Amino acid sequence: DQQVKQNSPSLSVQEGRISILNCDYTNSMFDYFLWYKKYPAEGPTFLISISSIKDKNEDGRFTVFLNKSAKHLSLHIVPSQPGDSAVYFCAASGSGGSNYKLTFGKGTLLTVNP
Amino acid sequence: DADVTQTPRNRITKTGKRIMLECSQTKGHDRMYWYRQDPGLGLRLIYYSFDVKDINKGEISDGYSVSRQAQAKFSLSLESAIPNQTALYFCATSDGSKETQYFGPGTRLLVL
Repeated sequence: DQQVKQNSPSLSVQEGRISILNCDYTNSMFDYFLWYKKYPAEGPTFLISISSIKDKNEDGRFTVFLNKSAKHLSLHIVPSQPGDSAVYFCAASGSGGSNYKLTFGKGTLLTVNP
Repeated sequence: DADVTQTPRNRITKTGKRIMLECSQTKGHDRMYWYRQDPGLGLRLIYYSFDVKDINKGEISDGYSVSRQAQAKFSLSLESAIPNQTALYFCATSDGSKETQYFGPGTRLLVL
């Protein structure tokens, strides 16, 4: 059973517009969420995270929103740039002794067109 | 210099061969992890280690073994490689104080 779901395999947006990447989770024990970005031939790089005690975290052009009741989080990129084109992975971590483990979604390929 | 390095970056091997993938880090982190990525499946945890004396299985450890030679080194071995172990393999580290993990550049493995 997939506990972290990214239902959109791909997303295409125009440069300067907003990109919204979505992620849903099923495990209510998850209390920390992360977004990673991955370019071809490179490892995933940490982008932004959010704790379950918050509903929003912002870092420059990147904002993550968390809706715990809906078990949903989203990553907003504003404005989108061609260099943002990459695969974005949502990941979740739980407490209670299991905070070593990140559970990843399958990823969403974002393409930002000039 | 990269904080987390993996060798080799690419490897082609034959079914039944034993191979080792190596990971080194200069971040000073105690925790190290091995993941594999398959197309359309995201990243799945193979093994993880909290320190040199602590090794734990992840969700897909069958067919793999690991060795934590030092705080900075964590190796993944395929004892007898099979074609469905063809994948991208990533090493990651964390300091344990927070969940953020830092990934190496990956090893692309092809088992014929």
